[in-house]
Amino acid sequence: DIQMTQSPSSVSASVGDRVTITCRASQGISSWLAWYQQKPGKAPNLLIYTASNLQSGVPSRFSGSGSGTDFTLIISSLQPEDFATYFCQQTNSFPRTFGQGTKVEIK
Amino acid sequence: QVQLVESGGGVVQPGRSLRLSCAASGFIFNSYAMNWVRQAPGKGLEWVAIMSYDGSNKYYADSVKGRFTVSRDNSKNTLYLQMNSLRAEDTAVYYCARDPCSGTNCYGGGYFDYWGQGILVTVSS
Repeated sequence: DIQMTQSPSSVSASVGDRVTITCRASQGISSWLAWYQQKPGKAPNLLIYTASNLQSGVPSRFSGSGSGTDFTLIISSLQPEDFATYFCQQTNSFPRTFGQGTKVEIK
Repeated sequence: QVQLVESGGGVVQPGRSLRLSCAASGFIFNSYAMNWVRQAPGKGLEWVAIMSYDGSNKYYADSVKGRFTVSRDNSKNTLYLQMNSLRAEDTAVYYCARDPCSGTNCYGGGYFDYWGQGILVTVSS
């Protein structure tokens, strides 16, 4: 199975800050990576697919990059509604696997 | 708009069975592969199973293989998850989630573009 490791596990940030979350795959997955945002008590919401493609309706302050084993999600200017937990997921092979999550908290 | 609504959750004793349903609307159900993803309380996300648009292909996580069965009824726009021999570690919120592709191994798919609201399954004596 492909292991997905996110860092950091949590980050404290202020509104307007730039936030960077990284995701590392245990083996190369090309660009087959997605990012999700999850708020408490809610289902995850797709942000990015195929490493860098912004899902329709997602604000442009979210961006994704990377290929192979190392990937990044950037929130360019954190907004109040962005405080949530973020997960990466590899779409390269079965079983589909997720990172453990990164909680973005208010500083 | 796309809607996925899970039902059938609840409290069940270890070793017993439960069947979850996911009613889909707002899109052509028989054109998409569908997944089950779960989340134990306070934990991360775990993919459980996928079924192709026509039911011809399916894959399972090792943790549920041989105990859970995914199926679909395209005439009813519904996805199912039959869960047998339930264990305490199966306690989780279960989500159904749409794959953007019709097959299980299509190029560019494998992520989950729409999710249901989730349904809680608690396995406890």
